Amino acid sequence: EAGVAQSPRYKIIEKRQSVAFWCNPISGHATLYWYQQILGQGPKLLIQFQNNGVVDDSQLPKDRFSAERLKGVDSTLKIQPAKLEDSAVYLCASSLDPTSSYEQYFGPGTRLTVT
Amino acid sequence: AQSVTQPDIHITVSEGASLELRCNYSYGATPYLFWYVQSPGQGLQLLLKYFSGDTLVQGIKGFEAEFKRSQSSFNLRKPSVHWSDAAEYFCAVGDNTNAGKSTFGDGTTLTVKP
Repeated sequence: EAGVAQSPRYKIIEKRQSVAFWCNPISGHATLYWYQQILGQGPKLLIQFQNNGVVDDSQLPKDRFSAERLKGVDSTLKIQPAKLEDSAVYLCASSLDPTSSYEQYFGPGTRLTVT
Repeated sequence: AQSVTQPDIHITVSEGASLELRCNYSYGATPYLFWYVQSPGQGLQLLLKYFSGDTLVQGIKGFEAEFKRSQSSFNLRKPSVHWSDAAEYFCAVGDNTNAGKSTFGDGTTLTVKP
């Protein structure tokens, strides 16, 4: 089966610009996660969707970050405006049933550099 | 709040030698525990998981981990390391009150010497 797809793989922008990332989860996976992974650190959960509803966005900087999952499939994560500290890899993950296995499948990530 | 500590930032082992990566967690209830591996430019891949039952868990690629409640640890082991095991390894604890939410440690980078 196809894995989690993310695009773009790399993005370089200047501070105060906007950027958007796209994620296509594994077919049939109801739960979708966006993580931020800063160099030298583990992934940090930004937002978790169950179908098209938000389960947890407690660590999402809502003044500049937004995410949506229309129709409960694809998702986009947007940053507007970007800051230097947003430089990181943004990982998307999906899981079939969050209550039974918790097994998350990760995409390759989008590496964002803010200059 | 849950947390994970991986005390070793970087470990170097010789090919064929045994490996143990340490993981300590903090969680108020029975934890759900995971080990992931991340190769350069790749996403994370699940190696193994512990939910309940047998405290010794077998995973893919010859890895195993042992859950020790008294020590709040979930160390990853492999009896003989291969050069292809060089990667970054992450331990994570799952929140069983918020389906699927995981907190990750900061990772251990494994270098394998020929």
